[in-house]
Amino acid sequence: AQSVTQPDIHITVSEGASLELRCNYSYGATPYLFWYVQSPGQGLQLLLKYFSGDTLVQGIKGFEAEFKRSQSSFNLRKPSVHWSDAAEYFCAVGEGAAGNKLTFGGGTRVLVKP
Amino acid sequence: DAGVTQSPTHLIKTRGQQVTLRCSPKSGHDTVSWYQQALGQGPQFIFQYYEEEERQRGNFPDRFSGHQFPNYSSELNVNALLLGDSALYLCASSPPAQNIQYFGAGTRLSVL
Repeated sequence: AQSVTQPDIHITVSEGASLELRCNYSYGATPYLFWYVQSPGQGLQLLLKYFSGDTLVQGIKGFEAEFKRSQSSFNLRKPSVHWSDAAEYFCAVGEGAAGNKLTFGGGTRVLVKP
Repeated sequence: DAGVTQSPTHLIKTRGQQVTLRCSPKSGHDTVSWYQQALGQGPQFIFQYYEEEERQRGNFPDRFSGHQFPNYSSELNVNALLLGDSALYLCASSPPAQNIQYFGAGTRLSVL
């Protein structure tokens, strides 16, 4: 069965500093990988996705993520954090078939210090 | 273009009652998935509907059931509510033959 681990429950970062959120997955085949962001009381917004090809993918809001097959990782990065980036971030893996059930990690809550 | 819409926004029920949550997918989307997100956790897959049939199901009891209508909208029904059913219920829709899910804002269910 597939699984997703986000080792950091909370991360505090200063505004303007860089941010990296870790994600490790377990999946037998080539995974479909996603990062979503959830603001308090809201649903999930898709930041970016990886299906195949270039292992560095660009997303919305200045985020990028790198797929590393050898490490089973898909870490999310942002060079300079804004106060509005304070939210909870979820990594997810999807099955490759058309039945695209998502398995989510436990999430990382990001706090931004002024 | 409206996104995924869910109703109601909030709901309070008592143990043993039954509840129905509703979801309208994005225009042009034909697949609807439902997730349960307990406080402080990541969403967990309940089931997915395509062509008015349940295509996949997660590890949830039969108390959780659903339906998809010809216009692709969907309902999630939970019978015999338990305190542990208190959670945010998220609906997601997908375009035809694409592995991308777009989420609604969710329905917050509180069971007292």
